[in-house]
Amino acid sequence: NAGVTQTPKFQVLKTGQSMTLQCAQDMNHNSMYWYRQDPGMGLRLIYYSASEGTTDKGEVPNGYNVSRLNKREFSLRLESAAPSQTSVYFCASEVPPGRARFGPGTRLTVT
Amino acid sequence: QKEVEQNSGPLSVPEGAIASLNCTYSDRGSQSFFWYRQYSGKSPELIMSIYSNGDKEDGRFTAQLNKASQYVSLLIRDSQPSDSATYLCAVTYNAGNMLTFGGGTRLMVKP
Repeated sequence: NAGVTQTPKFQVLKTGQSMTLQCAQDMNHNSMYWYRQDPGMGLRLIYYSASEGTTDKGEVPNGYNVSRLNKREFSLRLESAAPSQTSVYFCASEVPPGRARFGPGTRLTVT
Repeated sequence: QKEVEQNSGPLSVPEGAIASLNCTYSDRGSQSFFWYRQYSGKSPELIMSIYSNGDKEDGRFTAQLNKASQYVSLLIRDSQPSDSATYLCAVTYNAGNMLTFGGGTRLMVKP
């Protein structure tokens, strides 16, 4: 039982490059989240998926797209990376509401 | 805009003292309240949840909720250096049950 896994752990991109962050959970949770964390800013919600096939925008969705491939996997795509997207990205899954289990995070730097 | 506010700190307490961490929230529709702990370089982990007014104790931790004042707090008794971390307050709201985080308070427990 690995919980929530994320790949990659670290990534450096040049401005304008694209990439997909992968997230998977093995706890059979319906809800999954993508957050970003910047120094002093706490966790800000990018996108949320209440169940397979559904996604909703969070507080900071601009510049990102998501895909809930199946119940286990929820990916986050940066189509054209910008320096403002330098951050630590956390995926989480939860059941019941509020009891989130986080992945280890992806540290992304955009130069 | 639903907001969760915390003093960023750092809050410095001596070993063995009581650490008091505070959080206010803006939406009276808030339903459930959570405290997460995040060690430096790690992902957040859930340590306490509280759903109704009053106190809830779990070991050295006590969560306090006052819905009339829109205030939730976390007390850590007999603070240890291992409690040094950032503590994130989080709430869920009626609509969508999405988890919203405050900016976190950094706690430093000095030996």
